[in-house]
Amino acid sequence: DADVTQTPRNRITKTGKRIMLECSQTKGHDRMYWYRQDPGLGLRLIYYSFDVKDINKGEISDGYSVSRQAQAKFSLSLESAIPNQTALYFCATSETNPYEQYFGPGTRLTVT
Amino acid sequence: AQTVTQSQPEMSVQEAETVTLSCTYDTSENNYYLFWYKQPPSRQMILVIRQEAYKQQNATENRFSVNFQKAAKSFSLKISDSQLGDTAMYFCAFMKDFGNEKLTFGTGTRLTIIP
Repeated sequence: DADVTQTPRNRITKTGKRIMLECSQTKGHDRMYWYRQDPGLGLRLIYYSFDVKDINKGEISDGYSVSRQAQAKFSLSLESAIPNQTALYFCATSETNPYEQYFGPGTRLTVT
Repeated sequence: AQTVTQSQPEMSVQEAETVTLSCTYDTSENNYYLFWYKQPPSRQMILVIRQEAYKQQNATENRFSVNFQKAAKSFSLKISDSQLGDTAMYFCAFMKDFGNEKLTFGTGTRLTIIP
């Protein structure tokens, strides 16, 4: 079984809808991250969490919110989806040393 | 803020040849980590190799090696004996310092291995 899982893998939604992307991990890592990938832009950090009580904004947090329900679960919400949030979304986890991040399989989100 | 630049949007090379992907970065930090990630068509992000800035020796993982030039802020990836399975997007990434493990990515290089 995969160490980092994301649900759903693909989602099409309409403008204005609320949507939640979920991430679960079995690696036992405290640190979890949400990234967004757009063509030509690489991956950009949306939010990150270093433990259950610690949530931090990344470089592109506007329009998104997160919830860290447990050490193993970190959810990303789009309260009112808009078309320019169409992208590939990745969840990742890391330990403190050697600081490598392990990525989930990604969620392709399309907002029409 | 740190920036990572990959100046080659696309590259192609014949199977079994050697290819080098370039990456430069900008930082005022002295201690940091650099990474190369591979993203094949399956879209999974796979760590290829990592380099600690305090280590002068270049990292090597099988057919993959880096040329880390700290003064020049350059971190290139060399793939030797390229294989069809190396076809992928390659991202260079920077991590600032200990206890602040946020990755800053470059825009990627699409590498195609030609049979």
